[in-house]
Amino acid sequence: GENVEQHPSTLSVQEGDSAVIKCTYSDSASNYFPWYKQELGKRPQLIIDIRSNVGEKKDQRIAVTLNKTAKHFSLHITETQPEDSAVYFCAASRWGGTSYGKLTFGQGTILTVHP
Amino acid sequence: DTAVSQTPKYLVTQMGNDKSIKCEQNLGHDTMYWYKQDSKKFLKIMFSYNNKELIINETVPNRFSPKSPDKAHLNLHINSLELGDSAVYFCASSQGLGGVGETQYFGPGTRLLVL
Repeated sequence: GENVEQHPSTLSVQEGDSAVIKCTYSDSASNYFPWYKQELGKRPQLIIDIRSNVGEKKDQRIAVTLNKTAKHFSLHITETQPEDSAVYFCAASRWGGTSYGKLTFGQGTILTVHP
Repeated sequence: DTAVSQTPKYLVTQMGNDKSIKCEQNLGHDTMYWYKQDSKKFLKIMFSYNNKELIINETVPNRFSPKSPDKAHLNLHINSLELGDSAVYFCASSQGLGGVGETQYFGPGTRLLVL
């Protein structure tokens, strides 16, 4: 089955700096890669996603890049703010066959943005 | 007007007991999921139902039994609770079969503590 590795496990930055979180996946047939943000004690919420036919996607201060050949994708947050502090999860899924909607999550990255 | 809701929010119980967690979504989605988030924050899918039909059944002990009375509800019954069942259980839903680009919306979670 799919395996998703996420690094780093913790990331500490100063307000205004950029943050980058990286994930690798094992199943070359995976075709959907969402990123979720989970604030302390709250539910995971989708912040951005990318499909396998796209190399990069941006939404204001966040962007995701995908390298299908290397089977890795990254989350980039620019101009970080204290409210960006949370746990970030990458995930991968493969649409088709018997893998309906099965998201395999990375281990999570605890991002702390210091004012 | 909560999109995905779960009850109870907290559940503290003794080993060996049987308990149920309920989930409801008012988004009109066809697919619902159960995820387990352990103490290390790792998120893992357990089950998925599409229009009351089980479509994802991960390697989960038989003590866990999901039930979907209709497409807006998905319940999780756990028999003979064990210490290792302590976790946060999240319900989620998606529009269709969780295909490419279909966002999964999470409920607030049920924090289960087995003593």
